[in-house]
Amino acid sequence: TQTVSQSDAHVTVFEGDSVELRCNYSYGGSIYLSWYIQHHGRGLQFLLKYYSGNPVVQGVNGFKAEFSKSDSSFHLRKASVHWSDSAVYFCAVSARGSSGNKLIFGIGTLLSVKP
Amino acid sequence: SVLLYQKPNRDICQSGTSLKIQCVADSQVVSMFWYQQFQEQSLMLMATANEGSEATYESGFTKDKFPISRPNLTFSTLTVNNARPGDSSIYFCSSRGQGNTEVFFGKGTRLTVV
Repeated sequence: TQTVSQSDAHVTVFEGDSVELRCNYSYGGSIYLSWYIQHHGRGLQFLLKYYSGNPVVQGVNGFKAEFSKSDSSFHLRKASVHWSDSAVYFCAVSARGSSGNKLIFGIGTLLSVKP
Repeated sequence: SVLLYQKPNRDICQSGTSLKIQCVADSQVVSMFWYQQFQEQSLMLMATANEGSEATYESGFTKDKFPISRPNLTFSTLTVNNARPGDSSIYFCSSRGQGNTEVFFGKGTRLTVV
């Protein structure tokens, strides 16, 4: 069974700051990892994913994430945030394989960007 | 990519009634997934629906309460039976594209049970 944890429920930064949103997972096999963003009252938008190769993956709007097998982590980072980045960010994991297409989500991290 | 259209966008229903939520994909997809999201909480996987077979439900969700149909590769419906105020939440359908690791989501259906 795969699980994913996001240790920070709420992160507050100022516009122009860098930010790291943390995600740790547990699963013994090969997995897919992804990040989604949900603006208030809206659906989920895909940001980026990792399943093999370069552990640093680039996403939309300047976001990137780094996979670390040793730390069981997939933290999301952005060098300079904008107020429009304020949203809830969900880390998700799914196991590879015929039954592994379903996503398991973390509880989400609310990012608040102050002007 | 896969576009998923959900209908209705939102609905209000009386306790004890049933509500159907439709999800249509713009291309054929193998599996469709239904998620429930309570306000300010994460998404919980309810069930996985493949064409021509019974949906597979996750712990805490049952076929009697949330029957799901998947008559073809582009369509699925989720029914909320005997709706209760505790069912008030947003319901999302999702799917993974062909040969693609990315999962796409519909815009959600916000259900309020009064």
